[in-house]
Amino acid sequence: QKEVEQNSGPLSVPEGAIASLNCTYSDRVSQSFFWYRQYSGKSPELIMSIYSNGDKEDGRFTAQLNKASQYVSLLIRDSQPSDSATYLCAVESGGSYIPTFGRGTSLIVHP
Amino acid sequence: EAQVTQNPRYLITVTGKKLTVTCSQNMNHEYMSWYRQDPGLGLRQIYYSMNVEVTDKGDVPEGYKVSRKEKRNFPLILESPSPNQTSLYFCASSSLGGWKTQYFGPGTRLLVL
Repeated sequence: QKEVEQNSGPLSVPEGAIASLNCTYSDRVSQSFFWYRQYSGKSPELIMSIYSNGDKEDGRFTAQLNKASQYVSLLIRDSQPSDSATYLCAVESGGSYIPTFGRGTSLIVHP
Repeated sequence: EAQVTQNPRYLITVTGKKLTVTCSQNMNHEYMSWYRQDPGLGLRQIYYSMNVEVTDKGDVPEGYKVSRKEKRNFPLILESPSPNQTSLYFCASSSLGGWKTQYFGPGTRLLVL
């Protein structure tokens, strides 16, 4: 059984701070890793994908992947109240086309 | 505007009454899929389709059927709904080349009494 674990939160950070969201996964052959943002009552929206070890930066977002530790994280710099949402981690094993999602971490950015 | 649409958005039904939730995309995507989202369980894939007439089971296919007769449409069929199928359902699509960039529909909230 493939598992993707996330702390449900809520994670509360002040505006302007760095928010750090973490995700661990159980399937060692996982190859693709994604972060989705989901606002309350809305559908998930892909914000980052990462496939190789290291960091990947896109604007205020940085995804970090460590396959040896089976760990992927998302950093949000200069957090804004509009970043308040649930962040879903998803993991896919090569060629399966069946992503496994974590239960999500609720992030609250307070002014 | 590129989008995935679902209908209906909200549905209340009774046990055993067959229903269909439609999903349509206008991006010419090959890959389409259905998910259900439940509190404490996260998003789980029900079925997916790689192209017309090609469908396969996801993690939780029991009690559901799908069909892919046209590239743009991927309906979800509940032949005999039960209360444990009460959930929030999302349809998603992507191209196969960049299949991982899935675009989600707005969701269908289903209540089975």
